[in-house]
Amino acid sequence: AQSVAQPEDQVNVAEGNPLTVKCTYSVSGNPYLFWYVQYPNRGLQFLLKYITGDNLVKGSYGFEAEFNKSQTSFHLKKPSALVSDSALYFCAVRAPTDSWGKLQFGAGTQVVVTP
Amino acid sequence: DAGVIQSPRHEVTEMGQEVTLRCKPISGHDYLFWYRQTMMRGLELLIYFNNNVPIDDSGMPEDRFSAKMPNASFSTLKIQPSEPRDSAVYFCASSLREGRQNGYTFGSGTRLTVV
Repeated sequence: AQSVAQPEDQVNVAEGNPLTVKCTYSVSGNPYLFWYVQYPNRGLQFLLKYITGDNLVKGSYGFEAEFNKSQTSFHLKKPSALVSDSALYFCAVRAPTDSWGKLQFGAGTQVVVTP
Repeated sequence: DAGVIQSPRHEVTEMGQEVTLRCKPISGHDYLFWYRQTMMRGLELLIYFNNNVPIDDSGMPEDRFSAKMPNASFSTLKIQPSEPRDSAVYFCASSLREGRQNGYTFGSGTRLTVV
């Protein structure tokens, strides 16, 4: 069975500093990985995905994520955080043998960026 | 496009009453998903449709829950009878071709409170 873990409930970072949100996964075969962001009282918004190809993927709002197969990780990064990046971030994984509807979402990591 | 539209935004109902949540997906999207979000359980997939046909309803909690998609532009999630433990935020999401290119687009959710 597939699973995804976000080990940090909350990440605090000062504006302008690098931001990293961690995600590890467990899945049979090559995973399909996604990051979503949720702002207060809103639905989730798609940020980026890894399906195949380059391990470093770039997404919306200056975010990027690096797929590391040996460490089974897919950490989300942003070189310089903004106060407006404060939100709830979700990592999601899908096993290649599962249907696309079977995305497994992590518990979410609250990001707080202080001025 | 106005995005995925859900109604109502908030619903407060008494235990035992019937509740109907509505969703209008993005025009042209062929997949529709219903999710439930709670603090305790995070984001859970309830059911998803492809071309108006239910594909997987294994996440539907029990027979009190039912979902329909009578046409490509409308879906409902019904709870009858409702119970306090059904209190959650219910999200509808849609995607094109399983979301492999641009992920899912989520609505803003319906916050359901059952008293």
